[in-house]
Amino acid sequence: SQQGEEDPQALSIQEGENATMNCSYKTSINNLQWYRQNSGRGLVHLILIRSNEREKHSGRLRVTLDTSKKSSSLLITASRAADTASYFCATAVIQGAQKLVFGQGTRLTINP
Amino acid sequence: DAGVTQSPTHLIKTRGQHVTLRCSPISGHKSVSWYQQVLGQGPQFIFQYYEKEERGRGNFPDRFSARQFPNYSSELNVNALLLGDSALYLCASSPAGTGYGNQPQHFGDGTRLSIL
Repeated sequence: SQQGEEDPQALSIQEGENATMNCSYKTSINNLQWYRQNSGRGLVHLILIRSNEREKHSGRLRVTLDTSKKSSSLLITASRAADTASYFCATAVIQGAQKLVFGQGTRLTINP
Repeated sequence: DAGVTQSPTHLIKTRGQHVTLRCSPISGHKSVSWYQQVLGQGPQFIFQYYEKEERGRGNFPDRFSARQFPNYSSELNVNALLLGDSALYLCASSPAGTGYGNQPQHFGDGTRLSIL
């Protein structure tokens, strides 16, 4: 079963605008990771934020984590056509098998 | 450096058949994990192997099995295929087995399995 839910399921914006995607999860976590998947390809790691961190930046990406609300957000600033992809959050849970649990993803479309 | 490579890229099977999928991790990576991604869904964890031992297993039936070889490559085997096994099967590698969740996973482009 999926650990998290992503919101929105689909997002379409104009090139140059900012895109925000949200992720909620259910159990206590060690960290939360964001991945990008282009159509028909594998997943590419974007950023990892640990449970004791609240915000992290990488280039045009900004990730926040609120463990009290069990939620995270991914902000992509100044979007480009090449950002068109599906974006997934994944949590590494504290107990149980060492694995990543993925949400269902947000399909982002950047219109030129 | 080569990334994670998976073979074959596409495969068509019929119900009841058996399939073997292969994965070569990034050089120096000792952990290999397998994920199933059904169309429109996020990946679901199947197995993790490290140093040829199973370190984690997801909620999949015994028809699914895997192994890791001394060179750290891995095979995923699925027996008695069902229509519901149609999916993209992804392999991911990372350097170490411990602290798995604290490491970015490097994914291959997957094997697209279609069951007729």
